[in-house]
Amino acid sequence: DVKVTQSSRYLVKRTGEKVFLECVQDMDHENMFWYRQDPGLGLRLIYFSYDVKMKEKGDIPEGYSVSREKKERFSLILESASTNQTSMYLCASSSPGLAEETQYFGPGTRLLVL
Amino acid sequence: QKEVEQNSGPLSVPEGAIASLNCTYSDRGSQSFFWYRQYSGKSPELIMFIYSNGDKEDGRFTAQLNKASQYVSLLIRDSQPSDSATYLCAVNMGYGGATNKLIFGTGTLLAVQP
Repeated sequence: DVKVTQSSRYLVKRTGEKVFLECVQDMDHENMFWYRQDPGLGLRLIYFSYDVKMKEKGDIPEGYSVSREKKERFSLILESASTNQTSMYLCASSSPGLAEETQYFGPGTRLLVL
Repeated sequence: QKEVEQNSGPLSVPEGAIASLNCTYSDRGSQSFFWYRQYSGKSPELIMFIYSNGDKEDGRFTAQLNKASQYVSLLIRDSQPSDSATYLCAVNMGYGGATNKLIFGTGTLLAVQP
């Protein structure tokens, strides 16, 4: 079974704090993704990575950065948290190269920024 | 802007009936299509994918793809209350490169009435 884990299920932070969200996958997948999910807006891609130390911007990268130092771990960083970053954050991983490339999701982190 | 459209619902069906969920997409070059189920407060889990025109069946689920009309649908036979969830349609629009990104619809809420 593919397993994607995220460091926290719930997180409460103050405006201006630096926030780290961590994601680990155990299937040796090359690709990893960070999304946020908001009511009425669906899943939106923040950043993704297709290899160690490689990253690409998704659709809404502003206010976020990422780090991938090891293949199994992909971190999302909120440099200075703001209230509009209150959301559900979902990490996913996949193995590339196939038309049926499937993304597997972690349990999500619900972040509240006060 | 590449888009994936779904009716937000709620779609209400009686237990034992067939639930029909629809999704349209904007990019004719799209290559593969995924249906995810998401229970309230949980992360998306893959139900099935399809990349060839026609039907693909997996247990009570059937995915239907019509590339000429740019729509994909999911049929759930013998609907059960446990099928009540939000169903997300995701489309791989073939960005190419090192990996492919998925574009998600906002989801259709299905409610199966006992």
